[in-house]
Amino acid sequence: GQNIDQPTEMTATEGAIVQINCTYQTSGFNGLFWYQQHAGEAPTFLSYNVLDGLEEKGRFSSFLSRSKGYSYLLLKELQMKDSASYLCAVREGTDKLIFGTGTRLQVFP
Amino acid sequence: DGGITQSPKYLFRKEGQNVTLSCEQNLNHDAMYWYRQDPGQGLRLIYYSQIVNDFQKGDIAEGYSVSREKKESFPLTVTSAQKNPTAFYLCASSKGQGTRPQHFGDGTRLSIL
Repeated sequence: GQNIDQPTEMTATEGAIVQINCTYQTSGFNGLFWYQQHAGEAPTFLSYNVLDGLEEKGRFSSFLSRSKGYSYLLLKELQMKDSASYLCAVREGTDKLIFGTGTRLQVFP
Repeated sequence: DGGITQSPKYLFRKEGQNVTLSCEQNLNHDAMYWYRQDPGQGLRLIYYSQIVNDFQKGDIAEGYSVSREKKESFPLTVTSAQKNPTAFYLCASSKGQGTRPQHFGDGTRLSIL
């Protein structure tokens, strides 16, 4: 079956570092995406991993271990505007994405 | 600027009524998708289309219908057979296979009167 697990909620302090984990069990794997979604808005693309290792993009980094079915999104130097939901999605086959339920992150001053 | 336009932003449906949600993109993307998002749940795929005049059912297609007559447009009809249509509907598009991410519209929030 298909299963993507993320923590439901996390809190952190402005300026800190937070790691959002995602574990997956899918029938196929052709890449993992992270999206950011502010309440009532469209998800926006953050990162993509298809090979094992770390991808860094400014304050955001994403890590993948295919053998463990595991990824994390690392957010550094947290800002208040980073308060949002973070969606982990696995691409099965050539195009379809399977989404996790999302992690709601609240950043406090 | 290129992007995906969904309309309307808010939509109300009466019992027994069909309603159509619009999705237009000017990104020259081949593939388009419709998702449904409920509180506390992830995005669930309703229908998707990889080329004009062709589309496939996603995980929750019952009670919905789509068409893809033009590359730019992928309207979704929520029929009266969909008994629990209240949700946030998101349209997305992508260039196709490979590393390219899906880009999303701003969504339509559908409620029952």
